[in-house]
Parts: sequence; C-alpha cells; structure tokens
Amino acid sequence: EAGVTQFPSHSVIEKGQTVTLRCDPISGHDNLYWYRRVMGKEIKFLLHFVKESKQDESGMPNNRFLAERTGGTYSTLKVQPAELEDSGVYFCASSLGGLAKETQYFGPGTRLLVL
Amino acid sequence: DAKTTQPPSMDCAEGRAANLPCNHSTISGNEYVYWYRQIHSQGPQYIIHGLKNNETNEMASLIITEDRKSSTLILPHATLRDTAVYYCIVRPSILTGANSKLTFGKGITLSVRP
Repeated sequence: EAGVTQFPSHSVIEKGQTVTLRCDPISGHDNLYWYRRVMGKEIKFLLHFVKESKQDESGMPNNRFLAERTGGTYSTLKVQPAELEDSGVYFCASSLGGLAKETQYFGPGTRLLVL
Repeated sequence: DAKTTQPPSMDCAEGRAANLPCNHSTISGNEYVYWYRQIHSQGPQYIIHGLKNNETNEMASLIITEDRKSSTLILPHATLRDTAVYYCIVRPSILTGANSKLTFGKGITLSVRP
C-alpha cells in the first residue's frame, strides 16, 4: 500500500512569489491534515479535511494560505504571496476515518525556503 | 488536550532496551496516548497508541500506568536506526466529537550508541 506522498520535496522561492504544495493521501483515507514546522519550533497543526470539506482550519496562520481538496482526493496548499516566515517543512497526514480509525500517517514533507 | 512532559534527551546502547518515559498527569478518561517518532529529515512515523491497557506491536511496547498519568514506550532492542525524536501525544477519541488534530511537543531525542 502506498503511503502519503507529497510534492515537491523541496521548493525555494523568493518573497512575494506563489507556491503550491500537493499532498496525495493514502487511498481510501477520508481525513487529510496539514501540519508545518517552522525553524526551531514544534510541529503545528494547520487544518483538517474530511473528504472535500474543511473540518477545522483553526491553525491556518493567515489568509495568504489557501488549502483545497477538490473531489476529496489529493489536496493542495497554496501560499500567496510567500513571506520569509513561511519557510519550514510542511507535512501532510491522512487517516482512514470512522470509529477507532484515527491513526494519522504522515508524508515525508515539503521543505519550503522563502528567500 | 492534556499536556505531556518528556525529558529532552536520553541515550542507550545498541541492542539494549530503550525505555522512553512520558508524563500526562491531566489526561482524561477518553484520551488516548499516541507515540510518534521523527527520524532526521523524514515525516513523523506512527509507532503505537493505547487507552489504558498495555499495547505491543512489531515496533514497540506501550506501558500505561494504572492511573494513566504516565506511560513508557519500550523499544526492546534498540538499533542505530532508532535514533530519532520521539513524541508522546495525548488526544481525545473522535467519539467525543473533539478535534482530531495532533499536538506535538518538543519530544525526547533518543540517541542509540554503538
């Protein structure tokens, strides 16, 4: 079974540019999560999709971040315009959903560097 | 969510058991204890979770005290590849309707020495 995949693995952009990160969850997983770790900080929750609906986006830092999950499959996280403080590692996780099936499995992350 | 407390670091010899402690004294009855680890430059990896009974899988064992205020993750035969940051996370069951996000702390850095 393929795990959670993320693309790209690395991205280097200049301040003010736009970047779009993609996450492909494990097939059949209804729940999809985005987390990030900025330099020197702990991993923080960004948002949670259940299928195509945003269940919780309380962790999104500001309106420069837009997450979508069209069709309830893969998800994208767009940062526009990117700022220096957005640099970090962005992780995606997915879980099957349903009773007692909430174990989240993480992807390898996208390392974003904003110059 | 209940807060967890872990020592910042520990080490153990290769081949020996690694016992990683975690305190979660404010845990409530519907909260699970999860353990993840992050090996350098990789995404967090799920290890094991439990509610009140001890659990064992192919990776590790989880021992939860009777009062549930602390737990220990045991790696029975640590290898060099087990060197990582280990996170103990407490999270409510989805049956409560609570948010299912994971709240990561600083974790404990385990160094396995040859």
